Amino acid sequence: NAGVTQTPKFRILKIGQSMTLQCTQDMNHNYMYWYRQDPGMGLKLIYYSVGAGITDKGEVPNGYNVSRSTTEDFPLRLELAAPSQTSVYFCASSYGGSRYNEQFFGPGTRLTVL
Amino acid sequence: AQSVAQPEDQVNVAEGNPLTVKCTYSVSGNPYLFWYVQYPNRGLQFLLKYITGDNLVKGSYGFEAEFNKSQTSFHLKKPSALVSDSALYFCAVRDGNAGNMLTFGGGTRLMVKP
Repeated sequence: NAGVTQTPKFRILKIGQSMTLQCTQDMNHNYMYWYRQDPGMGLKLIYYSVGAGITDKGEVPNGYNVSRSTTEDFPLRLELAAPSQTSVYFCASSYGGSRYNEQFFGPGTRLTVL
Repeated sequence: AQSVAQPEDQVNVAEGNPLTVKCTYSVSGNPYLFWYVQYPNRGLQFLLKYITGDNLVKGSYGFEAEFNKSQTSFHLKKPSALVSDSALYFCAVRDGNAGNMLTFGGGTRLMVKP
């Protein structure tokens, strides 16, 4: 049971480039989330999904897109990278529809936009 | 809107001494409260949560937290700190009236010295 896995671990992008951050979970969780963590700050929610085919915006969605075609995968797309998107990105998942359940986090992707 | 405050950027404690990491919250409905720990270059790991019931919640690695409704606080505690407890700790809240959004505090760095 690998839990939540993320690729790549590190990436450097030039301004205007695009990329997809991959996230996969093998716990059959139907809820999945993308967060960004800026230095000295807490996590901010970018997008989340309550199941395959259903996504919704979080607190800071601008500049990002997501899709959820399967239960396991929840990729995050950056279309036109900007320096403000330099951050550490965490994917997370949780079980079921209960808001009481804790989230399980991946190891993160450190992204630098130059 | 829901919010979380962790008033201390860093807490220093000697090994073997008790530790407290503070957290206060603001919600409009019932609070669902969580503590997570983050070790260097890792994702967040769940420690404990308060949903309802006893105000003293016990979690992983000997940690516990006390829910205080009148003071809107959820402080993390441990009777005897270990050097290996040194990490970044995040408090998070979900408002019972606010759907699926989990709001994180800015984090507190715990340094336990031998």
